[in-house]
Amino acid sequence: DAGITQSPRHKVTETGTPVTLRCHQTENHRYMYWYRQDPGHGLRLIHYSYGVKDTDKGEVSDGYSVSRSKTEDFLLTLESATSSQTSVYFCAISESSDQPQHFGDGTRLSIL
Amino acid sequence: GEDVEQSLFLSVREGDSSVINCTYTDSSSTYLYWYKQEPGAGLQLLTYIFSNMDMKQDQRLTVLLNKKDKHLSLRIADTQTGDSAIYFCAESPLGGTSNTGKLIFGQGTTLQVKP
Repeated sequence: DAGITQSPRHKVTETGTPVTLRCHQTENHRYMYWYRQDPGHGLRLIHYSYGVKDTDKGEVSDGYSVSRSKTEDFLLTLESATSSQTSVYFCAISESSDQPQHFGDGTRLSIL
Repeated sequence: GEDVEQSLFLSVREGDSSVINCTYTDSSSTYLYWYKQEPGAGLQLLTYIFSNMDMKQDQRLTVLLNKKDKHLSLRIADTQTGDSAIYFCAESPLGGTSNTGKLIFGQGTTLQVKP
């Protein structure tokens, strides 16, 4: 299995609080991605990174920000969480844009 | 636009073949992928096919690509109860002249294997 660790694995928080999810990789891959998974929607891309300090938006980026200060870590922040952001969040990595993505085990986030 | 469609559910008997279908809209997609997700777990890459190929076989898995109809299928031979999971099809469309690595996923097909 690809060396991808997501933390925390589960989190329950209240509306309006900030939340940060962490993705850590040990593969030295250049590309990292954040997706959310919701029933009926499959996985949808939130943000992705193609190098340190290089990030871009995905199809559902509103309400989310990301940072990548070093190769191994990609952080996803919800500045002020809303109930619509209750979801399962997956991180993925790939060596390049032409290589398959490998996924972490996910973070289940509930916002009450 | 970019869209990937899959049927939501498939039920087969153990030992039969399963065929999971997928249609996509972006003809620029360079790679098409199949992922498997077991309950409570992440997505596991099963196989993928480059867009200039028609078929790829890997042990019990056969991927067929009809680029003209933008149709992708995954056949699992001798389906086992351990194959019960959700299967996702994904396309990797070009962004302009380069591949951005973004994946567009279908909603997933739940495969139920009955003993």
